[in-house]
Amino acid sequence: SAVISQKPSRDICQRGTSLTIQCQVDSQVTMMFWYRQQPGQSLTLIATANQGSEATYESGFVIDKFPISRPNLTFSTLTVSNMSPEDSSIYLCSASSGNTIYFGEGSWLTVV
Amino acid sequence: GENVEQHPSTLSVQEGDSAVIKCTYSDSASNYFPWYKQELGKRPQLIIDIRSNVGEKKDQRIAVTLNKTAKHFSLHITETQPEDSAVYFCAAKRWGSQGNLIFGKGTKLSVKP
Repeated sequence: SAVISQKPSRDICQRGTSLTIQCQVDSQVTMMFWYRQQPGQSLTLIATANQGSEATYESGFVIDKFPISRPNLTFSTLTVSNMSPEDSSIYLCSASSGNTIYFGEGSWLTVV
Repeated sequence: GENVEQHPSTLSVQEGDSAVIKCTYSDSASNYFPWYKQELGKRPQLIIDIRSNVGEKKDQRIAVTLNKTAKHFSLHITETQPEDSAVYFCAAKRWGSQGNLIFGKGTKLSVKP
């Protein structure tokens, strides 16, 4: 199994600012994904982080708002840009090598 | 695209009873179905999964059944314990593809001592 570390684990952010979340996997993985989980809700895929190329975004999510990087097979970042209170959520990094998908601990963002 | 429906949204059982959570999926090409358990404030943890070439899989008190024809799969927890209390998510994807998981909306299970 893959061990996934995220940071920050929690942050309180001012509206209008941007925050970058880092995700580190302890082994090389094929796929990395970013999910959002709003309080009491299910997991919604934001995008697939592609190594060496632009991320693939799901409907409703755009690169300008959620720029993603994946410089190598073990690391990715998600930036939440120009934050508003509606962006208050848990952001989860996930990774897979094959079919099993593992999750990081999540980054709890509160926008005030 | 794939759509996963999950029922019930909340489930309360007495300790020692069984709990069953059901999911349906829409994409007949989906053939990998994992279940995740998420405790409050924690990450989702994979508890069991099944591929579509198998009808049932068991792991101690947990079992998953799959009906490919009807496109539904279920999680069964027997002899429930208070520590089984959590939110459970089903999901679906195509085995071996680079596709992502599509999740159900979750079931909040409460096991009362």
